[in-house]
Amino acid sequence: DTGVSQDPRHKITKRGQNVTFRCDPISEHNRLYWYRQTLGQGPEFLTYFQNEAQLEKSRLLSDRFSAERPKGSFSTLEIQRTEQGDSAMYLCASSLASKGINQETQYFGPGTRLLVL
Amino acid sequence: TQLLEQSPQFLSIQEGENLTVYCNSSSVFSSLQWYRQEPGEGPVLLVTVVTGGEVKKLKRLTFQFGDARKDSSLHITAAQPGDTGLYLCAGARSGNTPLVFGKGTRLSVIA
Repeated sequence: DTGVSQDPRHKITKRGQNVTFRCDPISEHNRLYWYRQTLGQGPEFLTYFQNEAQLEKSRLLSDRFSAERPKGSFSTLEIQRTEQGDSAMYLCASSLASKGINQETQYFGPGTRLLVL
Repeated sequence: TQLLEQSPQFLSIQEGENLTVYCNSSSVFSSLQWYRQEPGEGPVLLVTVVTGGEVKKLKRLTFQFGDARKDSSLHITAAQPGDTGLYLCAGARSGNTPLVFGKGTRLSVIA
């Protein structure tokens, strides 16, 4: 299967601990997105990368959140000093953006479900 | 402010019935995507529509993009229990911006 993969699929942590999630995009995709989804809501954008450059960050991404994509392939999302309000599904998506094409399709991974106790 | 409003939020129907879900906005989108999401899984892409007035069919599913590219609908004919899930619409304001999602329509098809 060459789709988007995420690890771990589930994470339970205590308030105040740090957690890190990993996303492996579809191999030829140059864009990688992070979204967060809470119960009863659609996914909300957090940040995205084109290759290794982080191009946009949402206001939802507090100082406790940091994302990296060091080699333009996989990405990590770290949450420091977790709070109960961070409990959510964290989704990664990737796409292939090309010059001159004003439309890209994003493909999602299975998500990492975080529970902060 | 929710840029994309989906209706209804919940829908429970009998197997074999037809249904339509709506995705509306006051904003124009360059493209709109429909996803289906199962519990505990990520959204799975069903279709992308890019041209105003475009209609796409995927077996028993028919997707339409409004002429003004502000709204879309998904029609399912002869629903089956396997259609059960959360249907999400997502719009891109331009080709190079993150997706904006609606809250979804949770469909339950009862055998």
